[in-house]
Amino acid sequence: DIVMTQSPDSLAVSLGERAAINCKSSQSVLYSSDNKNYLAWYQQKPGQPPKLLIYWASSRESGVPDRFSGSGSGTDFTLTINSLQAEDVAVYYCQHYYSAPFTFGGGTKVEIK
Amino acid sequence: EVQLLESGGGLVQPGGSLRLSCAATGFTFSNYAMSWVRQPPGKGLEWVSVITNSGGATFYADSEKGRFTMSRDNSKNTLYLQMNSLTAADTALYYCAKGRGGPNTAIDSWGQGTLVTVSS
Repeated sequence: DIVMTQSPDSLAVSLGERAAINCKSSQSVLYSSDNKNYLAWYQQKPGQPPKLLIYWASSRESGVPDRFSGSGSGTDFTLTINSLQAEDVAVYYCQHYYSAPFTFGGGTKVEIK
Repeated sequence: EVQLLESGGGLVQPGGSLRLSCAATGFTFSNYAMSWVRQPPGKGLEWVSVITNSGGATFYADSEKGRFTMSRDNSKNTLYLQMNSLTAADTALYYCAKGRGGPNTAIDSWGQGTLVTVSS
């Protein structure tokens, strides 16, 4: 099974500053036949279900603000939130969908400094 | 608008069984893979299982294999999760979720969840 490890567990960022969350997979989630990274990022606010932000490691879901971006390939990935807004306070999760089981990372809590 | 409405959660004794349902509306249900994801109280997301659009194949997390059975009825636009031999570790909010396409795609829609509590 692929293990997803996120870091840090939590971070506090000032409004308008950049937040970066890392996600590392125990094996590559890059599928050679289509050259796609089978990785997604989700945002979960308190009392709400998760919301898809990024799929294929760097494709932004429709309606997601462009301050959210995903990067990386193979085993190392980053979710970047540029110019953090108050409404971005949430827990963020990465998930691979390369081969079942499609495990999630442990989550990163983003707060305002 | 995609809507996923879970039901069937509740309090069950250790060793007991429960069947969750998820009614789907707002999209062509038979075209998409569906998943169950759970979240223990105060903890992170745990992937449980996925089923192909036709229901011809299912995949499970290791801890659920042999205990949980996922199925779907495309004529009723409904997803199911049969859970047997439940333990306290299965206590969680269970989300029904829709894939962007086949099973190897991201989840783009989630229900509000149904709470399962395993306790004597």
